[in-house]
Amino acid sequence: GAVVSQHPSWVICKSGTSVKIECRSLDFQATTMFWYRQFPKQSLMLMATSNEGSKATYEQGVEKDKFLINHASLTLSTLTVTSAHPEDSSFYICSLPGQGRLGAFFGQGTRLTVV
Amino acid sequence: DAKTTQPPSMDCAEGRAANLPCNHSTISGNEYVYWYRQIHSQGPQYIIHGLKNNETNEMASLIITEDRKSSTLILPHATLRDTAVYYCIVRVASGGGADGLTFGKGTHLIIQP
Repeated sequence: GAVVSQHPSWVICKSGTSVKIECRSLDFQATTMFWYRQFPKQSLMLMATSNEGSKATYEQGVEKDKFLINHASLTLSTLTVTSAHPEDSSFYICSLPGQGRLGAFFGQGTRLTVV
Repeated sequence: DAKTTQPPSMDCAEGRAANLPCNHSTISGNEYVYWYRQIHSQGPQYIIHGLKNNETNEMASLIITEDRKSSTLILPHATLRDTAVYYCIVRVASGGGADGLTFGKGTHLIIQP
């Protein structure tokens, strides 16, 4: 069964509005979650590490004021794309780190289209 | 994490074994080889991982060369649903709370009917 639930699976928004994406851990308490972005025909790129109860850490080149991450509980991390623009249109994916030596668990992804 | 090299694409006939190679010549002694796949418009899915011994699970087999500089993922009886991008990633095994993954370009495996 699913370990990570990501919602919504797709969203279309107008330029200038904000969009919130939720990532829920169903089976594990997750002090850390990861957010990735994937543009068409490209690979996944790590955007940020979400840390429960503290600030997220962002990869170089990712604007922390534009991509707001909140990790208020051990089962939920949210990514808010603020003042979205067409160039933010992408596939956003969250993940939990591997448990023990298992591989990472990924959400289903959210297809964001900004018009 | 050590760098990996994979062919950009491969074709395989349905029902045949799909063998996906990965080179990781700079792998360190404590780094594992992980394989993930991503079916179109979905999140990646963990397949298998190994350190130095060959591994098999219900999805695939992983063959790692003795010098650990390369590996092969084997899907024994490929089906159309195995069409996906396959990523080979080398990293120290995470016990939770470790770094995010670095994805290369992967291999786009196309299963032909």
